Amino acid sequence: SQQGEEDPQALSIQEGENATMNCSYKTSINNLQWYRQNSGRGLVHLILIRSNEREKHSGRLRVTLDTSKKSSSLLITASRAADTASYFCATDRGGANSKLTFGKGITLSVRP
Amino acid sequence: EPEVTQTPSHQVTQMGQEVILRCVPISNHLYFYWYRQILGQKVEFLVSFYNNEISEKSEIFDDQFSVERPDGSNFTLKIRSTKLEDSAMYFCASSEWSGQGKLFFGSGTQLSVL
Repeated sequence: SQQGEEDPQALSIQEGENATMNCSYKTSINNLQWYRQNSGRGLVHLILIRSNEREKHSGRLRVTLDTSKKSSSLLITASRAADTASYFCATDRGGANSKLTFGKGITLSVRP
Repeated sequence: EPEVTQTPSHQVTQMGQEVILRCVPISNHLYFYWYRQILGQKVEFLVSFYNNEISEKSEIFDDQFSVERPDGSNFTLKIRSTKLEDSAMYFCASSEWSGQGKLFFGSGTQLSVL
């Protein structure tokens, strides 16, 4: 079964630095999405990249997708303390019975 | 922005009891989901629901679980006889389309089975 696996599992950086998080998966996908979760809260969608796209930007977020390597990366530029959260990649195989399959997540700590 | 609403935010129950977790998806969404997250672990898919029937369910979603859309707005998850290992955060989500769009998640119901 397809599965998103993020690395590193935890990342601690200084405010202002860039944070790069990686995700690998196993099977073909329709799209890959990144979500953010603040402690004890629900998941919030950040960005979606389709299988025929290679790079996408949204504000301080940049996501890349390499379908040949079955991997994606999420870059947060100029990080802020408020970016501290867990980040999950999720893969969607598409189709009528589509569902998202989440990875284990990356805990990002941004030190002020 | 429209949001998915879940109630209650916390539910404490005794092992063997039935619980019903409630969700109000975004009004124009057609696809509904339940996920759960055991503390510190990954978010796991339980079930997807479309057109008043289950589209897909995971191995976790055994005969003790059921979902229902009793009216035009609510979407419920029932656990018939709770076990200790059912303790988790349960998230409801909805989306406009299948396979093409993002999911909107509720804030979750923290279920504690004692």
